[in-house]
Amino acid sequence: AQSVTQLGSHVSVSEGALVLLRCNYSSSVPPYLFWYVQYPNQGLQLLLKYTTGATLVKGINGFEAEFKKSETSFHLTKPSAHMSDAAEYFCAVIRTGGGNKLTFGTGTQLKVEL
Amino acid sequence: EAGVAQSPRYKIIEKRQSVAFWCNPISGHATLYWYQQILGQGPKLLIQFQNNGVVDDSQLPKDRFSAERLKGVDSTLKIQPAKLEDSAVYLCASSAMGGGGELFFGEGSRLTVL
Repeated sequence: AQSVTQLGSHVSVSEGALVLLRCNYSSSVPPYLFWYVQYPNQGLQLLLKYTTGATLVKGINGFEAEFKKSETSFHLTKPSAHMSDAAEYFCAVIRTGGGNKLTFGTGTQLKVEL
Repeated sequence: EAGVAQSPRYKIIEKRQSVAFWCNPISGHATLYWYQQILGQGPKLLIQFQNNGVVDDSQLPKDRFSAERLKGVDSTLKIQPAKLEDSAVYLCASSAMGGGGELFFGEGSRLTVL
């Protein structure tokens, strides 16, 4: 069965610093990978997704992620953090041909400090 | 385009009482999902509908949870009787056929069981 592991339930960065949120996946077949963001008291919003093709994926709000098959990773990065990036971030996976069943990681709470 | 609508946003009940949550997906989206998000955890899929048929309900506690999607549009999730451990946010999401796995989420219904 496919799954994702997010390393670090809480990450704190200074405003303007690099954001790096880690995600490793486990899948027996090529996966589709996603990053969702959840602001307080709101639903989840898609940041970016990898399905096929280019392994570096750019998303909204300046975020990007790189699919690395050799490392089974899909880490999320942003060069310069902004206060508005403070939220919870979820990595998720769908097994190709798996009927759109999205499996989420446990989430990483990002805190941005002045 | 209207997003996924959910109600109520908040509900507080005593254990052993019943509760129902309603979801109206994005117009034209064939697939509808109910996720349970317990504090500090990632969302867990409870049930997935394709039109008005159930695709996956393997993680739905069927002794107390039920869901229906009559006419393949809006959906209701019911819990009866509620337990303390059912305290969570219940997220509804929808996706289009061939949508590449992108789910659109509502703001969620927060349930507190006392």
